[in-house]
Amino acid sequence: QVTLRESGPALVKPTQTLTLTCTFSGFSLSTSGMCVSWVRQPPGKALEWLALIDWDDDKYYSTSLKTRLTISKDTSKNQVVLTMTNMDPVDTATYYCARARIGGQQLVKGFDYWGQGTLVTVSS
Amino acid sequence: AIWMTQSPSLLSASTGDRVTISCRMSQGISSYLAWYQQKPGKAPELLIYAASTLQSGVPSRFSGSGSGTDFTLTISCLQSEDFATYYCQQYYSFPYTFGQGTKLEIK
Repeated sequence: QVTLRESGPALVKPTQTLTLTCTFSGFSLSTSGMCVSWVRQPPGKALEWLALIDWDDDKYYSTSLKTRLTISKDTSKNQVVLTMTNMDPVDTATYYCARARIGGQQLVKGFDYWGQGTLVTVSS
Repeated sequence: AIWMTQSPSLLSASTGDRVTISCRMSQGISSYLAWYQQKPGKAPELLIYAASTLQSGVPSRFSGSGSGTDFTLTISCLQSEDFATYYCQQYYSFPYTFGQGTKLEIK
C-alpha cells in the first residue's frame, strides 16, 4: 500500500526558509522509474507544480520558483525534502507531495498517489 | 513552458446530466495528459491518464479523449459524488503544468 505524508511548520514568517518533508511507504525511491513531486495550492486557487526528483537523483523545478526551491531525497529514510527560501505571504498554500513513475522519457500516468497535504501560512 | 486553457471554470449541472470539460494546450503534448478530481479539503485524485485511460477503480461514466493540443473530460450521467473540481495536467515536458480548474456544481 502506497502512502505519503507531508510534514513541516504550519506557520512561517516572511523572508524565512520553509522546509517540508514527505515521508512515504509502499515504494522505494531507489527503484528505477520512481519519482516524487511537490505541488501546492493557495486557498481557493488552482494546483501549481513545484518540483520533482527521480530515482536517479535528477531534479526538475518550476521555472518561476527555480531560484528559491531545492528538492532532495534520503532513500534510506524514504523521505523527500523540499526547501523554499525567502517565503512571502503569497506562498501561503497547502503543499502536497505525490508519487509518479517514469517510463522512457515521460511519466507513466501522472501522479497516482498523493499525500493529504499540509497547510503553510506565511505571516508575521 | 506549455500553457493550458481549461474551460469552463464553473459548470452547473444536475444529477443524471452529461458534461464535458475542455483543456487546450499551447503546443502539442501527444497524449501526455492527466485529469484529476478534487473534493473540498482533500488531495486531488487521479481519474484519467494518457488522455483516455481510466485509472483503476474509477467509474466508467468518466471518459477522456483527445491528443495533441485539445482534450476533453466527459462525465456521463452525473452522480452526486461527482460534484467537485477537476484539473487537467500535462506531463509531456518540464515544467509540468495544471489547468486552472473546473468547479462542477449542482444546478
